[in-house]
Amino acid sequence: EAGVAQSPRYKIIEKRQSVAFWCNPISGHATLYWYQQILGQGPKLLIQFQNNGVVDDSQLPKDRFSAERLKGVDSTLKIQPAKLEDSAVYLCASSLTRSDTQYFGPGTRLTVL
Amino acid sequence: SQQGEEDPQALSIQEGENATMNCSYKTSINNLQWYRQNSGRGLVHLILIRSNEREKHSGRLRVTLDTSKKSSSLLITASRAADTASYFCATDEGSGNTGKLIFGQGTTLQVKP
Repeated sequence: EAGVAQSPRYKIIEKRQSVAFWCNPISGHATLYWYQQILGQGPKLLIQFQNNGVVDDSQLPKDRFSAERLKGVDSTLKIQPAKLEDSAVYLCASSLTRSDTQYFGPGTRLTVL
Repeated sequence: SQQGEEDPQALSIQEGENATMNCSYKTSINNLQWYRQNSGRGLVHLILIRSNEREKHSGRLRVTLDTSKKSSSLLITASRAADTASYFCATDEGSGNTGKLIFGQGTTLQVKP
């Protein structure tokens, strides 16, 4: 069974530029999550989707971050414009349902200069 | 916000020794999960313990949960060099299993061959 796929694996941008990350969850998984992991810390949930609807985005900085899962399968997370403090690893995870184990992708390491 | 506090922040042991990591949390939970993260890789789910369980085993892993003290411990027995990684506890809080995980800061474990 294929795992959670993410791309790109690495991205370096200048501050005030925009960037997008892509995630393809495990087939059949209804719930998809985006986490931000700053160096030396644990992951922090940014947004949770159930199929193509947002369940929780309370910790998403909505002035600059946006995410969508239009067809209820793959998802895109965008940052526009990026700030220095957005440098982190962005992890995507998926689970069969909200109460099931979450499986994580390898992450995208973002560096904002 | 981060719920879990892990202790110690870093641990270094010899191969064959046991490693114990502790996690404390603040609010009532549905379940507590432990994850492992190897350098440069995504998170791997290790074990889940529900709020009505006190102890759980999986191979060389033993997890305990004390809801009265709001704490959990992860014991890795007969450690191997391959166990070198960061270990995170994550709690699923609130009413019902929401899937909204709150991670601790993690314990970095180094197992010397």
